Amino acid sequence: NAGVTQTPKFQVLKTGQSMTLQCAQDMNHEYMSWYRQDPGMGLRLIHYSVGAGITDQGEVPNGYNVSRSTTEDFPLRLLSAAPSQTSVYFCASSYKRTGNYGYTFGSGTRLTVV
Amino acid sequence: AQSVTQLDSQVPVFEEAPVELRCNYSSSVSVYLFWYVQYPNQGLQLLLKYLSGSTLVKGINGFEAEFNKSQTSFHLRKPSVHISDTAEYFCAVSWFSGNTGKLIFGQGTTLQVKP
Repeated sequence: NAGVTQTPKFQVLKTGQSMTLQCAQDMNHEYMSWYRQDPGMGLRLIHYSVGAGITDQGEVPNGYNVSRSTTEDFPLRLLSAAPSQTSVYFCASSYKRTGNYGYTFGSGTRLTVV
Repeated sequence: AQSVTQLDSQVPVFEEAPVELRCNYSSSVSVYLFWYVQYPNQGLQLLLKYLSGSTLVKGINGFEAEFNKSQTSFHLRKPSVHISDTAEYFCAVSWFSGNTGKLIFGQGTTLQVKP
């Protein structure tokens, strides 16, 4: 099993550029989410999805879009990159909506916006 | 609203000494509690979780945590640490609201094990 796969691992963007961070899982998890990790702030929830076709906002959704057309994929789109979006991004998935089986995390995407 | 507070940003400790990483939470609903570990340049790995039942939970790598409902705490402990335990540790809570679930994290505690 590949688990949760995130691509790319590293990315440098110029201010104003757009891009999509990819996340795919092969565990048939219904719940998927995106977090950003910043020093001293832990992980903050950006967007999440409880199943194909259903998405909702987390704590810090501004500047990001998501869609969930299949159970496996949950891409995160940066519409117009800003330096404040420099961060490490993690995708996570779980069988149950409450996560009581534990969340599985990808290895992260390190994004720098210059 | 639910929140998680990790009381120490950094915890230095010598190898083979015991360690406790502190976590307090606030919630108006029942929650599940988790500890995750992040080794340098890696993703997060589940250490242990409390769902219900016994308040003492044992996890991987010799870690354990105790759920204290009256003090709303979920502190992580290990009786004897190794150099390889050097990592960042995150406490997290999950709850069910309507038909959705969410997981929020504390700010993280960096455990530095010295030889």
